[in-house]
Amino acid sequence: AQSVTQPDIHITVSEGASLELRCNYSYGATPYLFWYVQSPGQGLQLLLKYFSGDTLVQGIKGFEAEFKRSQSSFNLRKPSVHWSDAAEYFCAVGAAYYGGSQGNLIFGKGTKLSVKP
Amino acid sequence: DSGVTQTPKHLITATGQRVTLRCSPRSGDLSVYWYQQSLDQGLQFLIHYYNGEERAKGNILERFSAQQFPDLHSELNLSSLELGDSALYFCASSGTNGASGIDTQYFGPGTRLTVL
Repeated sequence: AQSVTQPDIHITVSEGASLELRCNYSYGATPYLFWYVQSPGQGLQLLLKYFSGDTLVQGIKGFEAEFKRSQSSFNLRKPSVHWSDAAEYFCAVGAAYYGGSQGNLIFGKGTKLSVKP
Repeated sequence: DSGVTQTPKHLITATGQRVTLRCSPRSGDLSVYWYQQSLDQGLQFLIHYYNGEERAKGNILERFSAQQFPDLHSELNLSSLELGDSALYFCASSGTNGASGIDTQYFGPGTRLTVL
């Protein structure tokens, strides 16, 4: 069965420090991978996505993620965290959509990021 | 702003009641997805509509139903509400990315449902 695991429920980093949020997936075919961010009381905002090609993808707000097929991972990174990055981050895997196949996303449980001044 | 709108933002109701949540997709998007976010279950896919037709069902209870109208807006109907239905309900929309058929879903701000 398809699944996404985010091993870290809560991470605290100091402002200006680097960040890496882990994501592992289980999927039978070529995965299509996403990272979303949710600020308190807000909806989900797309940070970046991987469909194919270069395994290092750049997103908004200075985030990047690297797809590693051998490790079934899609970790999110940022070189220097800002206080405004405090939020919850969700990794998701999506199916290719052909005809009647499913296109829904399967989400991890999320990682809550706190930023210390 | 994702371009997806949801109304109402908040909804407080009693057990046994019925409510309707509304979603307007981004201009031009034919697909609408509904998700439920709760503390214990996380983000779970409920149902997907494409151009007015149901395409896929996830963990949607029989007490819940949805439809997508000719103008492409969608409604999620929740009936015989229970305390455990309290959650944040998200709608997402997408447009199929040409031949690859890969969707990028854009989420609305959600409707917070509280059942008392």
